[in-house]
Amino acid sequence: AQTVTQSQPEMSVQEAETVTLSCTYDTSESDYYLFWYKQPPSRQMILVIRQEAYKQQNATENRFSVNFQKAAKSFSLKISDSQLGDAAMYFCAYRSYGQNFVFGPGTRLSVLP
Amino acid sequence: EADIYQTPRYLVIGTGKKITLECSQTMGHDKMYWYQQDPGMELHLIHYSYGVNSTEKGDLSSESTVSRIRTEHFPLTLESARPSHTSQYLCASSESWTSTDTQYFGPGTRLTVL
Repeated sequence: AQTVTQSQPEMSVQEAETVTLSCTYDTSESDYYLFWYKQPPSRQMILVIRQEAYKQQNATENRFSVNFQKAAKSFSLKISDSQLGDAAMYFCAYRSYGQNFVFGPGTRLSVLP
Repeated sequence: EADIYQTPRYLVIGTGKKITLECSQTMGHDKMYWYQQDPGMELHLIHYSYGVNSTEKGDLSSESTVSRIRTEHFPLTLESARPSHTSQYLCASSESWTSTDTQYFGPGTRLTVL
């Protein structure tokens, strides 16, 4: 069965600095999708960024980018120019064709002013 | 914009009561999901549905039940609430198996059983 691991239960970053959240996964599939979701305190879970495994180019959404290393089964999220509103739980997720999502345990990110 | 709604947002109820958590989406998505999440913790899939009249149990065993009579509606019912059911319940939906199948989440229902 596929598993998703986030080895950093908590992280903190200074406002305007850059932080990288780690995610590794285990799969025998060659075609799949990877996601980062953000869950602010007491607010709705939203999609941050998405990566298709067949694409070698790393996905980017404004200040958010990923480092996708397929051979290493690694999918880290980089947040540049961190803002106070970036403080949240971040969940890494995996999905292969026809299967349900598999979520990691989450990383709580604090942004220090 | 994804529109998925959950009511109530907060519910405090006594042991033994029957409760129904409502979830509706206006996107016409076939697939819907229920997750259970303790505050600040990981998500556990408890139920999902491929479409109307389809319901499946998820990875985490749950005493709750679900129904899918209409595409847009996926309510979750607890026949007899207990303190162990205290948690946050998140509803989600997605479009199809063949697309990138992004899940869109509702705001959640925070349930407290006294």
